[in-house]
Amino acid sequence: EDQVTQSPEALRLQEGESSSLNCSYTVSGLRGLFWYRQDPGKGPEFLFTLYSAGEEKEKERLKATLTKKESFLHITAPKPEDSATYLCAVQAQTGANNLFFGTGTRLTVIP
Amino acid sequence: EPEVTQTPSHQVTQMGQEVILRCVPISNHLYFYWYRQILGQKVEFLVSFYNNEISEKSEIFDDQFSVERPDGSNFTLKIRSTKLEDSAMYFCASSRTSGGRTGELFFGEGSRLTVL
Repeated sequence: EDQVTQSPEALRLQEGESSSLNCSYTVSGLRGLFWYRQDPGKGPEFLFTLYSAGEEKEKERLKATLTKKESFLHITAPKPEDSATYLCAVQAQTGANNLFFGTGTRLTVIP
Repeated sequence: EPEVTQTPSHQVTQMGQEVILRCVPISNHLYFYWYRQILGQKVEFLVSFYNNEISEKSEIFDDQFSVERPDGSNFTLKIRSTKLEDSAMYFCASSRTSGGRTGELFFGEGSRLTVL
């Protein structure tokens, strides 16, 4: 059964304090791993897709990496506006095109 | 920037009533989805739709649920007889393809359904 586990559940950082969020996954053939940002009461906002181990993607203060078992979302020098829940999701190669989400990491960046 | 739009943003209904949630996917997208998120829980897949038919559905998507693309732009989710446990945020999403490098799903802002 496909599984996505995100850690930590919640993370509080001081502004400028870099850190990483983890997403461990078990899937029957990975088609893609997705990172989304979700603000309270809003829909998930697409950030990155990673397709193969070793791949990296960057956007502003965020960098996503992928291995065969996990993905990391690195946040460099975060700002208060980076506060949100970060969701990881996987898409399997079994023909299903839906995403299987983790429970997310709730990030709070304190000024 | 193109976006997925959903209406209503919030609907309150009585148990047993029918509800229709509406979505306008991104115009050149071909795959459409409904997901739901119960408060404090993970985003869960309900159904995917392609070429005017359901391509996949989850165990949650039982006979009380149906989807339709009544015209070239709208995509609807109907719940025939709502239950208390249907209270959730319902997200519509669309993607250009089913996978590969253009398979990213883009989500709407959601419709919050409250069943009393």
